[in-house]
Amino acid sequence: AQRVTQPEKLLSVFKGAPVELKCNYSYSGSPELFWYVQYSRQRLQLLLRHISRESIKGFTADLNKGETSFHLKKPFAQEEDSAMYYCALSEGSSNTGKLIFGQGTTLQVKP
Amino acid sequence: NAGVTQTPKFRILKIGQSMTLQCTQDMNHNYMYWYRQDPGMGLKLIYYSVGAGITDKGEVPNGYNVSRSTTEDFPLRLELAAPSQTSVYFCASFDRVNEQFFGPGTRLTVL
Repeated sequence: AQRVTQPEKLLSVFKGAPVELKCNYSYSGSPELFWYVQYSRQRLQLLLRHISRESIKGFTADLNKGETSFHLKKPFAQEEDSAMYYCALSEGSSNTGKLIFGQGTTLQVKP
Repeated sequence: NAGVTQTPKFRILKIGQSMTLQCTQDMNHNYMYWYRQDPGMGLKLIYYSVGAGITDKGEVPNGYNVSRSTTEDFPLRLELAAPSQTSVYFCASFDRVNEQFFGPGTRLTVL
């Protein structure tokens, strides 16, 4: 069955420290992977998707099919990065656009 | 564009009461979704629709119903509210090209 796992409920780092939010997935086909972010009192929004291979707000994520991972990384955390982060998977061959979300990781960046 | 709008923002229900959560999008997206967000559980798909007149169950449909009479609207109905339905509900829409756009959410408490 398709599954997305984010092993950390909370990740707390100091400003300027590197950040890595882990995401592992289980899917037999060719998935599309996404990171969504929810800042305090704001709606969920797309941060980045693996097919675009771009860096958004200093964050990058590389799809590792061998390890079935899509970890989110940033070399130097900023206080404004504090938010809830969700990893999500979409079935690449599906015509429904359904997303399967991980449990979410709260990133807390301390001054 | 207002994007995806949801009403109400907050609601408290008594056990056994009914209510409809409203969702409207003005982006002419065919695909729409209802998710519930529970602490530590991520977002779970309740129902989705790939176009007017077409709906299907997601991962956690029990206790809910939906309809899709127009492209713009996708209401979610709770017929007999139960404490287990206390959650934050998010509606989203999708054009199959870019990203899912989320509404601001409805926080529902069932007492």
